[in-house]
Amino acid sequence: AQKVTQAQTEISVVEKEDVTLDCVYETRDTTYYLFWYKQPPSGELVFLIRRNSFDEQNEISGRYSWNFQKSTSSFNFTITASQVVDSAVYFCALSEISGYSTLTFGKGTMLLVSP
Amino acid sequence: DAGVIQSPRHEVTEMGQEVTLRCKPISGHDYLFWYRQTMMRGLELLIYFNNNVPIDDSGMPEDRFSAKMPNASFSTLKIQPSEPRDSAVYFCASSHTGQARSTEAFFGQGTRLTVV
Repeated sequence: AQKVTQAQTEISVVEKEDVTLDCVYETRDTTYYLFWYKQPPSGELVFLIRRNSFDEQNEISGRYSWNFQKSTSSFNFTITASQVVDSAVYFCALSEISGYSTLTFGKGTMLLVSP
Repeated sequence: DAGVIQSPRHEVTEMGQEVTLRCKPISGHDYLFWYRQTMMRGLELLIYFNNNVPIDDSGMPEDRFSAKMPNASFSTLKIQPSEPRDSAVYFCASSHTGQARSTEAFFGQGTRLTVV
């Protein structure tokens, strides 16, 4: 069965610091997809990125970057020069090819960025 | 596109009452999902539909929960009778899978249900 572990329950940083959110996953499928979602205090879930298991290239989008390493089953998320608006709960999720878009979520990491 | 629309945003009801949550998926999306978020269990899948047909309802906690999708633009999640432990945020999400077989799901803003 698939599983996603976000070991960091809560992280507090000061604005402009870099922060990395860890995500470790388990799956028996050779083809799968990994996702990150953001849940700001307003409560909605905002899609950030999708990565398939065949694409281990790291990705950068503005201040956000993602490091996918199949060898360690990790899909970590780094925010560079954090801002107060980055304060949210961040969820890592896994979708197996056999699961047809159903997501298994980690427990989430609450990020608090203080000014 | 307006995104996934859920109603109501907040619902407070008394134990034993029937509760109906509503969802309008993004037009053209062929998958619809209902998730529940609680502090104890996090985000968990309740049921999902493909082309209006329920595919997997193994996540539905009890027979008190039921979901329908009468057409491509509307789904309901009903709890009857409701219990305090049903208090949670219920999310509806939709996706268009096509050839990719797994694409990102777009979530509604959720319905915060409180059963007293």
